[in-house]
Amino acid sequence: AQRVTQPEKLLSVFKGAPVELKCNYSYSGSPELFWYVQYSRQRLQLLLRHISRESIKGFTADLNKGETSFHLKKPFAQEEDSAMYYCALRDATNKLIFGTGTLLAVQP
Amino acid sequence: SAVISQKPSRDICQRGTSLTIQCQVDSQVTMMFWYRQQPGQSLTLIATANQGSEATYESGFVIDKFPISRPNLTFSTLTVSNMSPEDSSIYLCSVETGQGAWGYTFGSGTRLTVV
Repeated sequence: AQRVTQPEKLLSVFKGAPVELKCNYSYSGSPELFWYVQYSRQRLQLLLRHISRESIKGFTADLNKGETSFHLKKPFAQEEDSAMYYCALRDATNKLIFGTGTLLAVQP
Repeated sequence: SAVISQKPSRDICQRGTSLTIQCQVDSQVTMMFWYRQQPGQSLTLIATANQGSEATYESGFVIDKFPISRPNLTFSTLTVSNMSPEDSSIYLCSVETGQGAWGYTFGSGTRLTVV
């Protein structure tokens, strides 16, 4: 079954600390994975996608097919990174399957 | 990327009534997606709306409860029919953006409370 798992509902770190938001997936084909972010009172927006292999706002995510993971990382968290983060998988029919989300709280 | 205008942004409705949510996109798109986000939960796809054909519903969602219209390539509506408190959720529309598979753009959401 297609599934995206984000094991942490809440991740609290101090400013300047490294951040890793975990995402694991289950998909029989070749996955296309995304990270979406929702800041307080804002709409859901794309943060990055694995195909682009880019760094956005200091965040990176590497697709590890062996571990079926797509963890989101940032070496030094900032307070403005506090938001809800969703990992999502696009299936062969162009549907997005979302994880349950992780609330990142960066403390000053 | 595409810009989506979704309305209403929120509503409080009586049980047994219906609410129609509108999504307007500033460019032509083939597929529009409707999601539901129940309190404390993730986004769940309700249906995919293609212009000129019937919407495709996901398991657990039926047309009688969530009728969808897609009259053209820039507009769609989702109706939540015969509402009950369990329908209280955030409803979002989404479109694919960019060439190929850049990602998906989401509307700002409709926060529905059924009393």
